[in-house]
Amino acid sequence: DARVTQTPRDKVTEMGQEVTMRCQPILGHNTVFWYRQTMMQGLELLAYFRNRAPLDDSGMPKDRFSAEMPDATLATLKIQPSEPRDSAVYFCASGDLVGLTGELFFGEGSRLTVL
Amino acid sequence: GESVGLHLPTLSVQEGDNSIINCAYSNSASDYFIWYKQESGKGPQFIIDIRSNMDKRQGQRVTVLLNKTVKHLSLQIAATQPGDSAVYFCAETGGQNFVFGPGTRLSVLP
Repeated sequence: DARVTQTPRDKVTEMGQEVTMRCQPILGHNTVFWYRQTMMQGLELLAYFRNRAPLDDSGMPKDRFSAEMPDATLATLKIQPSEPRDSAVYFCASGDLVGLTGELFFGEGSRLTVL
Repeated sequence: GESVGLHLPTLSVQEGDNSIINCAYSNSASDYFIWYKQESGKGPQFIIDIRSNMDKRQGQRVTVLLNKTVKHLSLQIAATQPGDSAVYFCAETGGQNFVFGPGTRLSVLP
């Protein structure tokens, strides 16, 4: 079965360190999302791409977060420097969407703990 | 791998009963709505969607109802099973991005 793959599944790091999370979307999907999930805020959109071009990253703290799609098989989310408040589960999702209509397929998430 | 809120609204139902999960959405311009199910330690999984030109859509054991007048969405699960225990999220979009609701935890009692 085709699925969205995220690495790492779990990451513990110290404040100030750089963190990179990776996502392999489902082949052929035209839209890729990054979401963050916390107990307090729920699921928050960080950024999304259409055909590898960034369409919206307004939910992302620009001073420390960056999201890229170097190719169709890889999306990355980088945090530099990381802070304890970045601790969360980060989800990547992909879909073959028309506009923003269609099913999103989520990965199993990357749980980040910043000490 | 729990990753959802500790203070979510919780709905407890007996196995075999029907469940109704409600969602109030905020954007009157939203024209597409989706229900997702999230099991512990996993990512959200698509259940069913509905466009704003409809007020009801049925799937296998699930029905989504949309009331645009009061901006309300509901998910009905027929004959609830233990495997339905999860957190359920509604999501809306008006074309800018997907906005997820806070979620409701469904607990199925034996």
